[in-house]
Amino acid sequence: DQQVKQNSPSLSVQEGRISILNCDYTNSMFDYFLWYKKYPAEGPTFLISISSIKDKNEDGRFTVFLNKSAKHLSLHIVPSQPGDSAVYFCAASTYNDMRFGAGTRLTVKP
Amino acid sequence: NAGVTQTPKFQVLKTGQSMTLQCAQDMNHEYMSWYRQDPGMGLRLIHYSVGAGITDQGEVPNGYNVSRSTTEDFPLRLLSAAPSQTSVYFCASSNSGGSYEQYFGPGTRLTVT
Repeated sequence: DQQVKQNSPSLSVQEGRISILNCDYTNSMFDYFLWYKKYPAEGPTFLISISSIKDKNEDGRFTVFLNKSAKHLSLHIVPSQPGDSAVYFCAASTYNDMRFGAGTRLTVKP
Repeated sequence: NAGVTQTPKFQVLKTGQSMTLQCAQDMNHEYMSWYRQDPGMGLRLIHYSVGAGITDQGEVPNGYNVSRSTTEDFPLRLLSAAPSQTSVYFCASSNSGGSYEQYFGPGTRLTVT
């Protein structure tokens, strides 16, 4: 069973606009949430994370929002840049068990 | 620092063959893990280790063995390869356990025919 779901396989936005990537989870035991970015032929790289005791974490152009009651998190990228084009994976974890979503391919058009 | 390195980058095996995927890290991380990535499935945890001599199963451990004799190395063994093991394999390490930020290697693309 997939405990972490990214329902949008792809997203296309214009440069300078906001990108919003969404993620849903089913296991209420998850207590830490992460976003990773992946370029072709490379391993995923950590982007930003949030603890379950918070509802927002910001790092430069990247903000992650967590809605525990809805079991939903989102990643906002503002402003989007062509170099942000990649596959973004949402992940949720509890005690050494990290589960990933299937990924969303973001394309930022110049 | 080289970070997390994996060898080989590509491998083709016949059904029933065995092989070892190598993983090494030079960051002195206690936690290391192996994932496989399949289309539409994201990354799934195969095995992990919280330190030398200690390993445990992840979400999809069947058909794979691991050992951790040193902090630096965490090899993944396929005992008898099957077409269902065709995948991209990623090794990762962390200095704060398996729940937090992990550093990933570049991956090994394995095809089993």
